[in-house]
Amino acid sequence: DAGITQSPRHKVTETGTPVTLRCHQTENHRYMYWYRQDPGHGLRLIHYSYGVKDTDKGEVSDGYSVSRSKTEDFLLTLESATSSQTSVYFCAISESLSAAGGEQYFGPGTRLTVT
Amino acid sequence: SQQGEEDPQALSIQEGENATMNCSYKTSINNLQWYRQNSGRGLVHLILIRSNEREKHSGRLRVTLDTSKKSSSLLITASRAADTASYFCATDPYSGAGSYQLTFGKGTKLSVIP
Repeated sequence: DAGITQSPRHKVTETGTPVTLRCHQTENHRYMYWYRQDPGHGLRLIHYSYGVKDTDKGEVSDGYSVSRSKTEDFLLTLESATSSQTSVYFCAISESLSAAGGEQYFGPGTRLTVT
Repeated sequence: SQQGEEDPQALSIQEGENATMNCSYKTSINNLQWYRQNSGRGLVHLILIRSNEREKHSGRLRVTLDTSKKSSSLLITASRAADTASYFCATDPYSGAGSYQLTFGKGTKLSVIP
């Protein structure tokens, strides 16, 4: 999995609690992404980063925030988890823009269950 | 909203047969990529085809792109049980200034029966 780790790999949490997922890369790639994967919806982009402290919203950003204080780390925070945020979360990285043909490398995923 | 849509949603074939999956998309693109996902794992990049290319090969994979029909197909020849996985197309919608994002389809689930 191309030098990408995600932690935790599994988490069960209660509705209303804050949750932070971590993505760590050792590839020194500029671009980092958070996706969620749900049955019937495929993969949907939550937030992405195009550099340290440079982030922007994706398709399904409501209820999520991100931070990137170092090249290697991209954090996804659910401020107050809801059952609709039960999902598998994937981090991805890329060296170049998608428009330039940048392929994305994916982490192993975090399975989050909100009860 | 989903830019790419794969067809069929599920495909079951015998080992040794060829598997064809299709992807349709809605807007102009810079390039189109195909990814594979084994059960419980992250996605793995397979092949990229640029908007000015019509066909590309990589090992047992053959990808075609028809920009006039806004469609692509992925052909896996001489399939193996290890090809059992979900396959996703991902498009980079042309935005002029350069897109950061890939938009993924919902995937085709391929089962190769030994």
